[in-house]
Amino acid sequence: SQTIHQWPATLVQPVGSPLSLECTVEGTSNPNLYWYRQAAGRGLQLLFYSVGIGQISSEVPQNLSASRPQDRQFILSSKKLLLSDSGFYLCAWSVLGQGYEQYFGPGTRLTVT
Amino acid sequence: GENVEQHPSTLSVQEGDSAVIKCTYSDSASNYFPWYKQELGKRPQLIIDIRSNVGEKKDQRIAVTLNKTAKHFSLHITETQPEDSAVYFCAASKGAGTALIFGKGTTLSVSS
Repeated sequence: SQTIHQWPATLVQPVGSPLSLECTVEGTSNPNLYWYRQAAGRGLQLLFYSVGIGQISSEVPQNLSASRPQDRQFILSSKKLLLSDSGFYLCAWSVLGQGYEQYFGPGTRLTVT
Repeated sequence: GENVEQHPSTLSVQEGDSAVIKCTYSDSASNYFPWYKQELGKRPQLIIDIRSNVGEKKDQRIAVTLNKTAKHFSLHITETQPEDSAVYFCAASKGAGTALIFGKGTTLSVSS
């Protein structure tokens, strides 16, 4: 069965520091991968999605970037964090040909101080 | 782009009552409508979904209805239980491999 991992689970970073969050999927190949952010008490905002290695679509222009160096790996990065980057970052996956469903990873809770 | 509106933002019911959450979408090309349940501090979990070629889908105590003409869909929970208390999100997408656009969520509280 498929499993999605995210790390770290929690992170506290100062303003202006860099960020790297990682997401990996096991048990499937060629997944579609997504990064969402959820601010405290708010809905889910799509940040990036990828349909293949090196293919990234950005939904919201901001100081974040995403990369997909391997088929089942999706990385969210920032060179300089802002206070407004605090939130719950969720990676999700789906697979073409196996339905439309998207499944979420456990998330990373980021606090920028 | 797609915009999904969700109402109400909070909903309080007594155990055993029914709960209904409604969403509207703007893009007529959207054809997949899932519902997620998120407990405090946890990831959203897919609980039910519907595609645009179906008007209603049921799974035990939960059901989803879709009106394509009016571009709205609803989640119905019958015989609510305290463990149904959570935040519920609706979403819409244009199908396999496309991104989900979420509503802002409904906080459901079921009191015993």
